[in-house]
Amino acid sequence: DAKTTQPNSMESNEEEPVHLPCNHSTISGTDYIHWYRQLPSQGPEYVIHGLTSNVNNRMASLAIAEDRKSSTLILHRATLRDAAVYYCILSISGNTPLVFGKGTRLSVIA
Amino acid sequence: EPEVTQTPSHQVTQMGQEVILRCVPISNHLYFYWYRQILGQKVEFLVSFYNNEISEKSEIFDDQFSVERPDGSNFTLKIRSTKLEDSAMYFCASSEGRVVTEAFFGQGTRLTVV
Repeated sequence: DAKTTQPNSMESNEEEPVHLPCNHSTISGTDYIHWYRQLPSQGPEYVIHGLTSNVNNRMASLAIAEDRKSSTLILHRATLRDAAVYYCILSISGNTPLVFGKGTRLSVIA
Repeated sequence: EPEVTQTPSHQVTQMGQEVILRCVPISNHLYFYWYRQILGQKVEFLVSFYNNEISEKSEIFDDQFSVERPDGSNFTLKIRSTKLEDSAMYFCASSEGRVVTEAFFGQGTRLTVV
């Protein structure tokens, strides 16, 4: 199984950018990189995904290293509502179910 | 915005009883999933379902579990004889295609086995 490594927790001040790192050194060429988050007492929520190129959407940006062995989820301006557990997940060729690790617990300070 | 709906939000059952958790996936989605999350632990994959059959399952998904799509809208998870350790949040999810780009999760059913 392709595995990811994330810090257990991070802290950010409100309205500042947040960079959430993920290492996936064993990634293969066809593995997709997915980011999901889980707000307190809710189900996981899709954030963004990518394969090789950097991606932007209304929620966040995904920066993928050139060798694809790491990626960074960027929240441009953290709000209190962004406090959640963020999961970086690889799916093999995009064809495997999402397998969640422990993720990074992001705290946002007002 | 389309959403995955799960019922009930909370179910309490006695050990040994059968329980059915219900989900209504997003209408044009073809792939369906069940996950569970024991309190304080990570989200665990149970099973994926496509074209009226299981496409993948984890080792957690043993003979006491079954899934069904009894009609065109519902997707159910049945636990035949519940154990105390089945107490968890159960999440249903659906996605449009086999290549999992975006999966939509429901709000979950909290199952408490007493």
